Amino acid sequence: DGGITQSPKYLFRKEGQNVTLSCEQNLNHDAMYWYRQDPGQGLRLIYYSQIVNDFQKGDIAEGYSVSREKKESFPLTVTSAQKNPTAFYLCASTRSWSGRGNEQFFGPGTRLTVL
Amino acid sequence: KQEVTQIPAALSVPEGENLVLNCSFTDSAIYNLQWFRQDPGKGLTSLLLIQSSQREQTSGRLNASLDKSSGRSTLYIAASQPGDSATYLCAAIDSWGKLQFGAGTQVVVTP
Repeated sequence: DGGITQSPKYLFRKEGQNVTLSCEQNLNHDAMYWYRQDPGQGLRLIYYSQIVNDFQKGDIAEGYSVSREKKESFPLTVTSAQKNPTAFYLCASTRSWSGRGNEQFFGPGTRLTVL
Repeated sequence: KQEVTQIPAALSVPEGENLVLNCSFTDSAIYNLQWFRQDPGKGLTSLLLIQSSQREQTSGRLNASLDKSSGRSTLYIAASQPGDSATYLCAAIDSWGKLQFGAGTQVVVTP
C-alpha cells in the first residue's frame, strides 16, 4: 500500500530540547511539505521541498529545520528556538511541485507536547 | 497574500439533510482548490481537487464548485449521514503547489 507515514504519533519534549519528527512516503512523489495545526486554526506551512537536496521556508519556519537527503524522507527538527512548539504536525506530499492537477496527500500526523 | 475563509465555523444538521459548506479566497489567481476532511486527532483526507479550468468536480454524494471570478468554492454533501461528521477544510493552491488553508467548518450530523 502506498502512503505517507509519520512517527512518532505522540511526542513529548522538555524545554530546551531539540526533537525530530519523521515523515516517509512511498508514493514516489517529488514534493513534500510540513504543516503545523493549532486548535481552531487552519494549517500553516513550515517548510517545503520540491526536489531532493532542496527546500524552502514556508510562512512560519523560525525555530524549525529540515533536510531532504532522500526522495522518500523529509524529517522536521523542532529546535529549542521554537518558543511555542506544542501543536499537531502534518506532513504531506504531491507528485510534483507544479500546482496543476496535483492533489496533496497527508500523513496521520504527530502531536507534539512541551512539558 | 492569499487569505482563505470558511463560514460557518460550525454546523449541525439532522441526518438526511443536504450540507452546504462555503469557502472564499481573496486572490483569484489560484491554480487549484482542494477540499479535505479531518476526523478528530487524524490527518487530512483529500475529498476533491478542482483545477482552475474546471467549474465543478463530483465524487459520489460530494460535489464541489469553483467560481474564480467571485473567489468562492462550495462543497455540497447530499443526504448527510452521521459518518459525515468531521471538520471540512478547503485550501487554495498556488502555482508552486503551496496550499493556503481555511480554518475549517466543523460538521455534526445528528441521527
